[in-house]
Amino acid sequence: GESVGLHLPTLSVQEGDNSIINCAYSNSASDYFIWYKQESGKGPQFIIDIRSNMDKRQGQRVTVLLNKTVKHLSLQIAATQPGDSAVYFCAENSGGSNYKLTFGKGTLLTVNP
Amino acid sequence: NAGVTQTPKFRVLKTGQSMTLLCAQDMNHEYMYWYRQDPGMGLRLIHYSVGEGTTAKGEVPDGYNVSRLKKQNFLLGLESAAPSQTSVYFCASSYLPLGQQETQYFGPGTRLLVL
Repeated sequence: GESVGLHLPTLSVQEGDNSIINCAYSNSASDYFIWYKQESGKGPQFIIDIRSNMDKRQGQRVTVLLNKTVKHLSLQIAATQPGDSAVYFCAENSGGSNYKLTFGKGTLLTVNP
Repeated sequence: NAGVTQTPKFRVLKTGQSMTLLCAQDMNHEYMYWYRQDPGMGLRLIHYSVGEGTTAKGEVPDGYNVSRLKKQNFLLGLESAAPSQTSVYFCASSYLPLGQQETQYFGPGTRLLVL
């Protein structure tokens, strides 16, 4: 079946650097994408989302880029801080579903002080 | 406003035992979801509900049952627990369906160990 995947399982950056976390999706019918942050022992926390009619969306220190041509999603975190250390998941609404999300396996981001 | 809460936080079961996981939300959300999270895998949808009195199967429904008798509560039941059901279970809720400027908000999780 189709699924969402991540290119890198781990990413280590220095405090203050910018971080880029990538995600590949294969279901071309998906039209809503979300990035979640999950800290150890906690539930996923919404970061930012984007709909398929957009290429880019910015939040506070975060930017999501969507490339529908190559089915690629990325999360950019500016000026990464130690508090950003967590597992980051991308998710898609499975084939355009109104209720079902398909999650990637996650990327562990470690920020070194 | 507590958001999404889950009870219990942790539980150990023996194979064959039954239990119910409770999810409660105080945000008046219509939609509620149960996921399981296993090492090396993304969250997988077990069951979901689009409103009080409704339930539907997700990606991995076998071995689980759910009920949504009250809008604010979504119960996940294991009738006969198996070691393969050892996992972390997350409940989520949303006011609108996905994509309508709305996402899902997650609870803190329930860690279940089946021996």
